[in-house]
Amino acid sequence: DSGVTQTPKHLITATGQRVTLRCSPRSGDLSVYWYQQSLDQGLQFLIQYYNGEERAKGNILERFSAQQFPDLHSELNLSSLELGDSALYFCASSVDDRGASHGYTFGSGTRLTVV
Amino acid sequence: GQSLEQPSEVTAVEGAIVQINCTYQTSGFYGLSWYQQHDGGAPTFLSYNALDGLEETGRFSSFLSRSDSYGYLLLQELQMKDSASYFCAVRGHTGGFKTIFGAGTRLFVKA
Repeated sequence: DSGVTQTPKHLITATGQRVTLRCSPRSGDLSVYWYQQSLDQGLQFLIQYYNGEERAKGNILERFSAQQFPDLHSELNLSSLELGDSALYFCASSVDDRGASHGYTFGSGTRLTVV
Repeated sequence: GQSLEQPSEVTAVEGAIVQINCTYQTSGFYGLSWYQQHDGGAPTFLSYNALDGLEETGRFSSFLSRSDSYGYLLLQELQMKDSASYFCAVRGHTGGFKTIFGAGTRLFVKA
């Protein structure tokens, strides 16, 4: 157990639907990062929050949005889902907004399947 | 922007040494990290280099040359459990601090 909790572990939904993925960072970590990993692909950076504020944005689609709440948990909202959105979505956390020398701690991911 | 290149696959024999190379392009370089990911698992942090040189952690070592925008991960005394994907990740500053991951190198360790 890495200390980063992601729910749900698996999600199957239809095209056009909206889903919410949830992440609780490791205790003491203020930064949350969201990454998307498609089959046999690398990790695509989506967005980062630090202590409730958006800090950096990657190639996140307009149909996707995220936020970090006062208790530091984060939610990633995916709407108007398409087949191509099927992927593993990882949340990671770090104590500061750089996550450099100690790296990121990743959760076990949410596997989203759009049918 | 930021980009990284690493080999897609490497095969080595148990007990051997293998080197996984990574070249990167980024604005405002802040460090190069390495992560390991087993099939179906989450990436786990292995090492971080901010300065030139070699960092050693047990059987794993990581090297960085900032002037060449190049780094490598060295795995010694390979074990079957080392079969996994290895990602290099660069932290830079392009539209905010971001850590971008390479596409990963799949390491197959054979008996």
